Amino acid sequence: EVQLVESGGGLVKPGGSLRLSCEASGFTFRSYNINWVRQAPGKGLEWVSSISSSSSYIYYADSVKGRFTISRDNAKNSLYLQMNSLRAEDTAVYYCARDLGGTWAFEIWGQGTMVTVSS
Amino acid sequence: QSALTQPASVSGSPGQSITISCTGPTSDVGGYSYVSWYQQHPGKAPKLMIYDVSNRPSGVSNRFSGSKSGNTASLTISGLQAEDEADYYCSSYTSSSVWVFGGGTKLTVL
Repeated sequence: EVQLVESGGGLVKPGGSLRLSCEASGFTFRSYNINWVRQAPGKGLEWVSSISSSSSYIYYADSVKGRFTISRDNAKNSLYLQMNSLRAEDTAVYYCARDLGGTWAFEIWGQGTMVTVSS
Repeated sequence: QSALTQPASVSGSPGQSITISCTGPTSDVGGYSYVSWYQQHPGKAPKLMIYDVSNRPSGVSNRFSGSKSGNTASLTISGLQAEDEADYYCSSYTSSSVWVFGGGTKLTVL
C-alpha cells in the first residue's frame, strides 16, 4: 500500500524549533518530488515547501523562507521539515504530499501531524 | 504568492450539477495547465480529484470534471451525491516554481 506517515508534531513555544518527519512506503521514494502542505485550524490549505527527487531543487513559501528547511534521505525513504523561529501563525496540521509523477499535483497525502505554537 | 479565488460556498440538491470556479493571475492559472482540485472531508487529508486542468486520477468518479478558460479554472460535479459534501480546493503551479491554493469552497448537498 502506498503510504506517507508524518510524525514529530507537538506543542512548542514561540521562537522554538521542531523537526517533522514523513516516512514513505509502498513506492519508489527516490523517484518522486515530495512536498509539505499545512492547514491552520479552520482554514484552507497552504503549500509550504517542496523538494525534488534528488534534492537538487528546493522551494519555499515566502511565509517560511529562512526559517524552515526541507530535506530528504532517500536511503531511509524519509522526508523532513526543520522548523525554526516558530510563530503562532505556524500552528497547523502539516501534511506531506507526494507528486503525481510527471506533472504538478499532489497525489498521495499523509494523515498529517499537528504543530501548535503557543506560550 | 496570493491565494487563488474560490467562492466560499456552493450548494446543490442530489442529482443536480454544480460548478466551483477558481480564478488566478496569468502567472499561475492563466499561464499553466497545472491546475488541480482536491476534496477534503472534515478531519481527513485532502484527496486529488482532478489534475492538469481536466484529468481524473484512477478511481475518481467520472461525475467530476475540470476545465479552464483564460484565468479561471472550474470543477464541475454532476449527479450530486450526499458523499460529495466536502471542502474543495484548487491549486496551481506558478511561474515562481511554487504552488498556490485557493481559499476553499464548502459544498453543501441539500
